[in-house]
Amino acid sequence: GENVEQHPSTLSVQEGDSAVIKCTYSDSASNYFPWYKQELGKGPQLIIDIRSNVGEKKDQRIAVTLNKTAKHFSLHITETQPEDSAVYFCAARSDKLIFGTGTRLQVFP
Amino acid sequence: DGGITQSPKYLFRKEGQNVTLSCEQNLNHDAMYWYRQDPGQGLRLIYYSQIVNDFQKGDIAEGYSVSREKKESFPLTVTSAQKNPTAFYLCASRLTGGHYGYTFGSGTRLTVV
Repeated sequence: GENVEQHPSTLSVQEGDSAVIKCTYSDSASNYFPWYKQELGKGPQLIIDIRSNVGEKKDQRIAVTLNKTAKHFSLHITETQPEDSAVYFCAARSDKLIFGTGTRLQVFP
Repeated sequence: DGGITQSPKYLFRKEGQNVTLSCEQNLNHDAMYWYRQDPGQGLRLIYYSQIVNDFQKGDIAEGYSVSREKKESFPLTVTSAQKNPTAFYLCASRLTGGHYGYTFGSGTRLTVV
């Protein structure tokens, strides 16, 4: 069936460093790739998304890249801050949205 | 302000009892979704509805039921047939007809005691 793999499951970085989270999807018909940030005890919030006709998208310190040939997409956070600490989920959508298993990011001051 | 509201935030249920989780949105979104979240397993789709009076099973629908009598409301009932109901339940909604992101509620944590 459709599947989205996400790595790593946990990621610890020093404040100011960059963080990269990678996802791979199986359904070649997927054409929409959102990223969500979930803080403890809250629902996920959309932070950035990319459509299949675009290879890269940037919003301040956050960027997402998409390689449709390899079926990979990645989230890049630069100049990390302690408030970036959360669980991040990737997702891929063709007829329905399939989520990755999440990455717990910890940013240490 | 528009948003999606889940209630209650915490819910305790005795084994063998049915319980209904509320989800209401005032975003005028067409589609609504219920996900279950367990540690280390991401979000798994229980049920979804693209339009009023219609809904489809997701990947883990067994032991759950839903209704969509109004566009704004998509309640989820966790029945006694659900073997392991303790989890964090998330409701989401979105506009259809394009690539629109999901808006999530703040979740309901259900504990079976």
